[in-house]
Amino acid sequence: AQTVTQSQPEMSVQEAETVTLSCTYDTSENNYYLFWYKQPPSRQMILVIRQEAYKQQNATENRFSVNFQKAAKSFSLKISDSQLGDTAMYFCAFIQTTSGTYKYIFGTGTRLKVLA
Amino acid sequence: DSGVTQTPKHLITATGQRVTLRCSPRSGDLSVYWYQQSLDQGLQFLIQYYNGEERAKGNILERFSAQQFPDLHSELNLSSLELGDSALYFCASSVDSPSTDTQYFGPGTRLTVL
Repeated sequence: AQTVTQSQPEMSVQEAETVTLSCTYDTSENNYYLFWYKQPPSRQMILVIRQEAYKQQNATENRFSVNFQKAAKSFSLKISDSQLGDTAMYFCAFIQTTSGTYKYIFGTGTRLKVLA
Repeated sequence: DSGVTQTPKHLITATGQRVTLRCSPRSGDLSVYWYQQSLDQGLQFLIQYYNGEERAKGNILERFSAQQFPDLHSELNLSSLELGDSALYFCASSVDSPSTDTQYFGPGTRLTVL
């Protein structure tokens, strides 16, 4: 069965510094999609970044980038120049579609606190 | 604002009762997804509808059911409620498949079962 593991329940980082959140997953399939979602105190879920498993190039969105290691089944999120507004829960998510069957699996989250 | 609306924002009810949560997707989105987030937990996928038809099913209890109407809004029905059903229920929508299209999440409905 597919699983998503976020081994860091909580992290903190100084404003303007860089932080990396880890995520590992397990699947026997070859085609899937990985996402990082941010959930601030408002509880709204916001897409941060996505990565298609068939793409070797790591996705980047402004200050957010991923390190996708397909063989190691690792998908970490790097936040550069951390800002106070980055304080939130971050969820790693895995979506797989196989022969019309869809699986959506989220990790348990990493609570990130950006310190002034 | 994601464009996905959910009503009500909060719901307090008693064990054994039945409630209905409502979701209106973004304009143009055909897929609707329901998720459950228990306290300090990740999201659990419940079910997805695409243009009125069920497309994917996750860990949805038999006491729960959903449907998507011709105007594309969706309802999640929870019956015989138990204390453990207390959670934040999110609806999300996308144009088609979440593998190619971004899922936009609503603000959630917080359900408290006493």
